[in-house]
Amino acid sequence: AQSVTQLDSQVPVFEEAPVELRCNYSSSVSVYLFWYVQYPNQGLQLLLKYLSGSTLVKGINGFEAEFNKSQTSFPLRKPSVHIRDTAEYFCAGWGCFGSSNTGKLIFGQGTTLQVKP
Amino acid sequence: NAGVTQTPKFQVLKTGQSMTLQCAQDMNHEYMSWYRQDPGMGLRLIHYSVGAGITDQGEVPNGYNVSRSTTEDFPLRLLSAAPSQTSVYFCASSYLTGTAGYEQYFGPGTRLTVT
Repeated sequence: AQSVTQLDSQVPVFEEAPVELRCNYSSSVSVYLFWYVQYPNQGLQLLLKYLSGSTLVKGINGFEAEFNKSQTSFPLRKPSVHIRDTAEYFCAGWGCFGSSNTGKLIFGQGTTLQVKP
Repeated sequence: NAGVTQTPKFQVLKTGQSMTLQCAQDMNHEYMSWYRQDPGMGLRLIHYSVGAGITDQGEVPNGYNVSRSTTEDFPLRLLSAAPSQTSVYFCASSYLTGTAGYEQYFGPGTRLTVT
């Protein structure tokens, strides 16, 4: 069973509009959560991370995410997107998923953000 | 620091051939892992390791072997290549503690085609 789920495979949005990319995780133990971005034909770059403390996490390029334990969600938001934000975004969670008692990092399926002029 | 290095960058194999994808890191990270990236599937964890001599299976381990004899190296072996293993493979590493813990450093990837 997927332990980190991104509900939207593609999100089209116009430039300067706000955007939210959804992410949910399933785990009975504490997790650490991450968002990564992958620009075309490039590797993955860390946008932001939640390990503990404030549930609102700010990252690079104006992105932020809010950890919601009761809803097991970690949505990524940006108030105003640019053309250059067009990329694939991955939510990831670190935890003891499934029957394993060893921590590991599991990724969601990815969401392609398409920013239109 | 070179970070995380992967070789080769590209590889074409015939069905049934075996090969090893190399991964090395020079940051003294405890955790190392291998992912494969396929369209619409995200990154799926193949195998991972929390230290030298310790490995475990991820989500899609079948057809792959790993070993971790040193902290620096974490090779991925394809035992008998199949077309279903055509993919882009990423190696990643991280610390397991501290404020930088769990933050993955990725290699540049290996694009593998099995015909």
